[in-house]
Amino acid sequence: RKEVEQDPGPFNVPEGATVAFNCTYSNSASQSFFWYRQDCRKEPKLLMSVYSSGNEDGRFTAQLNRASQYISLLIRDSKLSDSATYLCVVNPRGGSQGNLIFGKGTKLSVKP
Amino acid sequence: GAVVSQHPSWVICKSGTSVKIECRSLDFQATTMFWYRQFPKQSLMLMATSNEGSKATYEQGVEKDKFLINHASLTLSTLTVTSAHPEDSSFYICSARPRIRDRNTNYGYTFGSGTRLTVV
Repeated sequence: RKEVEQDPGPFNVPEGATVAFNCTYSNSASQSFFWYRQDCRKEPKLLMSVYSSGNEDGRFTAQLNRASQYISLLIRDSKLSDSATYLCVVNPRGGSQGNLIFGKGTKLSVKP
Repeated sequence: GAVVSQHPSWVICKSGTSVKIECRSLDFQATTMFWYRQFPKQSLMLMATSNEGSKATYEQGVEKDKFLINHASLTLSTLTVTSAHPEDSSFYICSARPRIRDRNTNYGYTFGSGTRLTVV
């Protein structure tokens, strides 16, 4: 089982649609979780951290289910500029210890 | 915010030559730097972890004699791809982690802009 697995995508949605990405991780002791966004041929950029209680940042909502080792990202009212690859990222050692484990990413394409 | 400058952003080199990639933290001190590689349509894969003043720790399957890492100061880490071959063509990205007192709430992982290496 891969350490971090994501929906393969691609997701092609119209503007204004709501889209959800799922991710599972294998290390039950993992402590920190993130969603990153990566544009074509660019470096990943932090979109948001994911907290146990769930968290929201504007149109983006992230949720974590530790029991199921499952992370999700919901994008509401999607914009053309949301087109990118979304990476589910886990820090198995938590905090500032250790390195980040990246999922393969899910490509999102928002069409007019 | 924390900024990591990486260069070159792209490089084309002949097979058998060596290429050096620099990763520099501009406004913070990076005790640890991570080097990743990303092949097309693949996830970022950690190659090695370097700590300032000590030897790098390489991930399984990464040849330390081929990918030389130097982290001689708190603001500079370099990755040298020696005797590059076409299969080394990839996107290389560094990530720096600030010293404890500089870290923000998302634990301060800052990425360089990446280097696209093409070996012909």
